[in-house]
Amino acid sequence: QKEVEQDPGPLSVPEGAIVSLNCTYSNSAFQYFMWYRQYSRKGPELLMYTYSSGNKEDGRFTAQVDKSSKYISLFIRDSQPSDSATYLCAMSLGGSNYKLTFGKGTLLTVNP
Amino acid sequence: DADVTQTPRNRITKTGKRIMLECSQTKGHDRMYWYRQDPGLGLRLIYYSFDVKDINKGEISDGYSVSRQAQAKFSLSLESAIPNQTALYFCATSASPGQTNTGELFFGEGSRLTVL
Repeated sequence: QKEVEQDPGPLSVPEGAIVSLNCTYSNSAFQYFMWYRQYSRKGPELLMYTYSSGNKEDGRFTAQVDKSSKYISLFIRDSQPSDSATYLCAMSLGGSNYKLTFGKGTLLTVNP
Repeated sequence: DADVTQTPRNRITKTGKRIMLECSQTKGHDRMYWYRQDPGLGLRLIYYSFDVKDINKGEISDGYSVSRQAQAKFSLSLESAIPNQTALYFCATSASPGQTNTGELFFGEGSRLTVL
């Protein structure tokens, strides 16, 4: 079993749709959970991070972590064509070991 | 100017050639990383360095070597390139544990390498 599983998609939605992106993981010791966004021909950049369980909201984006189910989600409300990108989940143990474990990424296209 | 700069951005080479990808950063971070990204395989860690005198192998280091010339510079070498090293390569940096809670990575824009 891979440490982090992420459906690669591709996912295509109409503008204005609610998008749900998900990852599952196997290592219960992960403490920090992140979502990176990668536009075509660019490097990934951090979109949101969450420590331990719970929800975090930033504008149209909401990150959820359910440690009991080892499941994290990113929701995008009122999706826009500019949200079209690859979304990668990433996790770390924290402490002195910050090596990130990435999911494979989900390619999202938001159609006007 | 970009905080993490990679050169070259694109390179086409032939099997057996030696290739060096260079990375420099102005973020003042101690930690630097080299990843490769392949379709369907995601990001995989090649090497990482927590300071100038510390070099560590990642999950796919075979066929690669690195050099940390200074805090701000970290280069990746392919001594004898082969076609399955065709990929998108990313350099990244992160702050040390005392400076960050999350270990957020800051990526360069990537170097696309094609080995014929």
